[in-house]
Amino acid sequence: SQELEQSPQSLIVQEGKNLTINCTSSKTLYGLYWYKQKYGEGLIFLMMLQKGGEEKSHEKITAKLDEKKQQSSLHITASQPSHAGIYLCGAYQSNQGGKLIFGQGTELSVKP
Amino acid sequence: ETGVTQTPRHLVMGMTNKKSLKCEQHLGHNAMYWYKQSAKKPLELMFVYSLEERVENNSVPSRFSPECPNSSHLFLHLHTLQPEDSALYLCASSQDWGGTGLGTDTQYFGPGTRLTVL
Repeated sequence: SQELEQSPQSLIVQEGKNLTINCTSSKTLYGLYWYKQKYGEGLIFLMMLQKGGEEKSHEKITAKLDEKKQQSSLHITASQPSHAGIYLCGAYQSNQGGKLIFGQGTELSVKP
Repeated sequence: ETGVTQTPRHLVMGMTNKKSLKCEQHLGHNAMYWYKQSAKKPLELMFVYSLEERVENNSVPSRFSPECPNSSHLFLHLHTLQPEDSALYLCASSQDWGGTGLGTDTQYFGPGTRLTVL
């Protein structure tokens, strides 16, 4: 079955610094989803990538899906305390139904 | 109310109790989901309903019983739970179920119910 591996598992950055979180799949990705979660709360949808080479941005967060569709990166520019939380990537195992599987999450702390 | 709502937000129950978690979506979606999130583990899918029909049951113990009376409401009935069932239970909904690749399968989550089993 497909697995999603996120790196790093946790990250502490100084406010204003840039950072990157990676999500690597063992199989081809059929849609890659990025979510953010505050501790103990629900997931907030950030963006979805489908096509190889696709790149999307939302405020200071940019996500890319590589050409082979097996890895995605999430980049935050000029991090702020409001960016702190757990970032999760998710992907469907096929394009014909099935479940959305998730990585284990990356916990981001931003020091003011 | 907009989006996906869940009640209660916190629940403490004994192993012999029976309780229910409620989820409601106000997005006009056709699919609804229950997930379990335990500490240090990836999100685990429990159940999927599409057009009020259960389409996925991810080997969940029978002490968890889902119910989907209509496309807007989803319940999770709990009975004789174990302490290891303590977790954050998340509900989600999407326009369509499965990897359509069209974005219509994007899942939107509720705030979760923090369950503690004593």
